[in-house]
Amino acid sequence: ETGVTQTPRHLVMGMTNKKSLKCEQHLGHNAMYWYKQSAKKPLELMFVYNFKEQTENNSVPSRFSPECPNSSHLFLHLHTLQPEDSALYLCASSQGQTDNSPLHFGNGTRLTVT
Amino acid sequence: AQSVTQLGSHVSVSEGALVLLRCNYSSSVPPYLFWYVQYPNQGLQLLLKYTSAATLVKGINGFEAEFKKSETSFHLTKPSAHMSDAAEYFCAVISPGFQKLVFGTGTRLLVSP
Repeated sequence: ETGVTQTPRHLVMGMTNKKSLKCEQHLGHNAMYWYKQSAKKPLELMFVYNFKEQTENNSVPSRFSPECPNSSHLFLHLHTLQPEDSALYLCASSQGQTDNSPLHFGNGTRLTVT
Repeated sequence: AQSVTQLGSHVSVSEGALVLLRCNYSSSVPPYLFWYVQYPNQGLQLLLKYTSAATLVKGINGFEAEFKKSETSFHLTKPSAHMSDAAEYFCAVISPGFQKLVFGTGTRLLVSP
């Protein structure tokens, strides 16, 4: 079983739909992250949770809503998205939100907004 | 402020040739530096990291990188490319106390037989 598991792997949704992305980590880490990866752009940090508390919201539109019920699970709730939100959404975890703790990534959810 | 620049969005090498992927950073304090690799349809995987110990850092799959403060560089090298090295490589920097890892735009490595 991989360390960080994301579901679904692929998601197609209309602009009026509501869907959720799920991330689960089996590494005993305390920090979890959502990143957005778009073509020809650097990875964009969206949200950070440390010990279930949100410590970073990187000016993300409110149509993206994170939820972290415990240190092992992270969700990203999506509603009324725009076509420009189509991207690969990556979840990551780390031992703690410290400077030299490497990130462990899941394989991502490829989101297409139609 | 911290930033990282990866020169060359694509690098092509022949199998068995030297791999050199360039990364230059900007940081107001001595940084921590990372290289990640992303294979198709996968997330990023840590190759190696520099955290102010030895300046030459060895990673997985035969890769290594050298921290050069005078050149603000952290280039990634591998003596002999293998077909399985074809992937996208990301350099990342974090300044101690910033708690925010900044990624470069990535370099796609193409390996031809």
